[in-house]
Amino acid sequence: DQQVKQNSPSLSVQEGRISILNCDYTNSMFDYFLWYKKYPAEGPTFLISISSIKDKNEDGRFTVFLNKSAKHLSLHIVPSQPGDSAVYFCAVQYNNNDMRFGAGTRLTVKP
Amino acid sequence: DVKVTQSSRYLVKRTGEKVFLECVQDMDHENMFWYRQDPGLGLRLIYFSYDVKMKEKGDIPEGYSVSREKKERFSLILESASTNQTSMYLCASRAQHWGSYEQYFGPGTRLTVT
Repeated sequence: DQQVKQNSPSLSVQEGRISILNCDYTNSMFDYFLWYKKYPAEGPTFLISISSIKDKNEDGRFTVFLNKSAKHLSLHIVPSQPGDSAVYFCAVQYNNNDMRFGAGTRLTVKP
Repeated sequence: DVKVTQSSRYLVKRTGEKVFLECVQDMDHENMFWYRQDPGLGLRLIYFSYDVKMKEKGDIPEGYSVSREKKERFSLILESASTNQTSMYLCASRAQHWGSYEQYFGPGTRLTVT
């Protein structure tokens, strides 16, 4: 039973344009949401997060949006750079318990 | 910076062998986790530990066991390796206090069982 879904396995965008990665979750009790970035042959690294009491969090080129009514999370990268090419995982958590991850979206930013 | 290290980057084992994957973190984190990553399935939780000598099953514990004798070290054990355990294994750690959600990952061990 997948509690976290990333329905797009891959995304390709041009350098300088916006990248939008999406994530849907099933349980309205989740209260903390994170995005991780993973390069080949490396472990995932934390990128940005948002708590359920907010609907937007911004950190430089990265913005995470949370739509609780739709149980939808998105990550916007503006402007996209070739170095952003990686696999992006969304993750959800409830009450400081263990985390659940989506299947990942492979982003390719073309020069 | 938090550092999580895993004993091997690449490992090749034969079916039926006992396999030990070691993970060490240097930030005095209470919580430690083992995941496996497979294409199309993302990261799936195998086992986790909230503290020394404590362990909890994750979503896919079958065929695995763990050991946490010291706070900094969390070992994943494949009692009798099988080909369907060929995967990327990732260890993570996290501080146990309210508001600390971020997990820090090691570089991963790519295990091939032949």
